[in-house]
Amino acid sequence: SQQGEEDPQALSIQEGENATMNCSYKTSINNLQWYRQNSGRGLVHLILIRSNEREKHSGRLRVTLDTSKKSSSLLITASRAADTASYFCATALTGNQFYFGTGTSLTVIP
Amino acid sequence: EAGVVQSPRYKIIEKKQPVAFWCNPISGHNTLYWYLQNLGQGPELLIRYENEEAVDDSQLPKDRFSAERLKGVDSTLKIQPAELGDSAVYLCASSPRASSYEQYFGPGTRLTVT
Repeated sequence: SQQGEEDPQALSIQEGENATMNCSYKTSINNLQWYRQNSGRGLVHLILIRSNEREKHSGRLRVTLDTSKKSSSLLITASRAADTASYFCATALTGNQFYFGTGTSLTVIP
Repeated sequence: EAGVVQSPRYKIIEKKQPVAFWCNPISGHNTLYWYLQNLGQGPELLIRYENEEAVDDSQLPKDRFSAERLKGVDSTLKIQPAELGDSAVYLCASSPRASSYEQYFGPGTRLTVT
């Protein structure tokens, strides 16, 4: 079984709009990461947020973490067609166990 | 810097046949992961290596799956015999060490069992 659940499963937006996807998880974590996967490719690490952090930025990405609600969100601002991909959250538990979520499929329409 | 290399990229076999996947991690990365990814799902860990030692293989179906990482560099994942339900993408990832968390993924091997 997978630790994380992303919401929504699929998201379609116009280029220039912001995209928000959420991740909920079940147990206490050490950190949470977001990955992107283009069709037919491997996953690419985007950003890591530690359990004692609440918000983190990287370029057009903004990640928040609410450990009390066991949830995280990824915001992509000013989306581009090249952002079209699947996005996965991955939770790292103690002992370096990783669990990936089910993913959000993002389509950015030019 | 070269990325994680996997081969083959695609493999089609008949059920009950054996199959092997190869992974060469980024140079200097001590931690190596094998994942299975079904269509529309996230990766699921099969096995994690720290150097040549398998430190987490709890999700590896040991009746038909085996893996090795001799000399703590490249790794091979084998399925024998393959079943229809094994059709999936097999991903390899590496990281400098377990505590660095960030994983670098290869392109994967897409296995189709007919």
